[in-house]
Amino acid sequence: LAKTTQPISMDSYEGQEVNITCSHNNIATNDYITWYQQFPSQGPRFIIQGYKTKVTNEVASLFIPADRKSSTLSLPRVSLSDTAVYYCLVGDMEKLSFGAGTTVTVRA
Amino acid sequence: DTGVSQNPRHKITKRGQNVTFRCDPISEHNRLYWYRQTLGQGPEFLTYFQNEAQLEKSRLLSDRFSAERPKGSFSTLEIQRTEQGDSAMYLCASSLVGWEGRYEQYFGPGTRLTVT
Repeated sequence: LAKTTQPISMDSYEGQEVNITCSHNNIATNDYITWYQQFPSQGPRFIIQGYKTKVTNEVASLFIPADRKSSTLSLPRVSLSDTAVYYCLVGDMEKLSFGAGTTVTVRA
Repeated sequence: DTGVSQNPRHKITKRGQNVTFRCDPISEHNRLYWYRQTLGQGPEFLTYFQNEAQLEKSRLLSDRFSAERPKGSFSTLEIQRTEQGDSAMYLCASSLVGWEGRYEQYFGPGTRLTVT
């Protein structure tokens, strides 16, 4: 199971773009990269998943370099409601292994 | 609301008592998962089901824990002889396996257990 490393916390302001980088040096050839978001007192929510290059959906973008040893979740123009914990997951897509995640705090 | 419901949302019990939680997944989903989350940590995998079959149990799931998914629909997680260390949020998730290239788990709101 690939180990991931991401910052413990990040602060931002409304309207800014937030980029969270996750390191996963031991990622396996078949591994996907998945990000979840969790608000207090709620279960995690799937945000985005990718294998290589760039993936974009209505919520975020995921950038994955060619060596796939890291990935960056990009949240465009954040609002106060984006304050949450963001988890980067790599490896087993059934038995999810969440680390401590990155606490993103958006201020007015 | 993801469509996954859990009951009760909160449970306070005394040490040594048994508790049971229920999870109702999204109806067409064939996989159901249980996780446990303690304060400041991410969720930890406990066990999961493919329909009614329990496929794997984490070593975190001691003999005091048992999970069932009769008829492949809802699931229950029972903790016998609760201990204070069992205090946590218990999360249930479901997914529809078979969609190649994407494995998205839908989580319920969790059941917060407090053992006094």
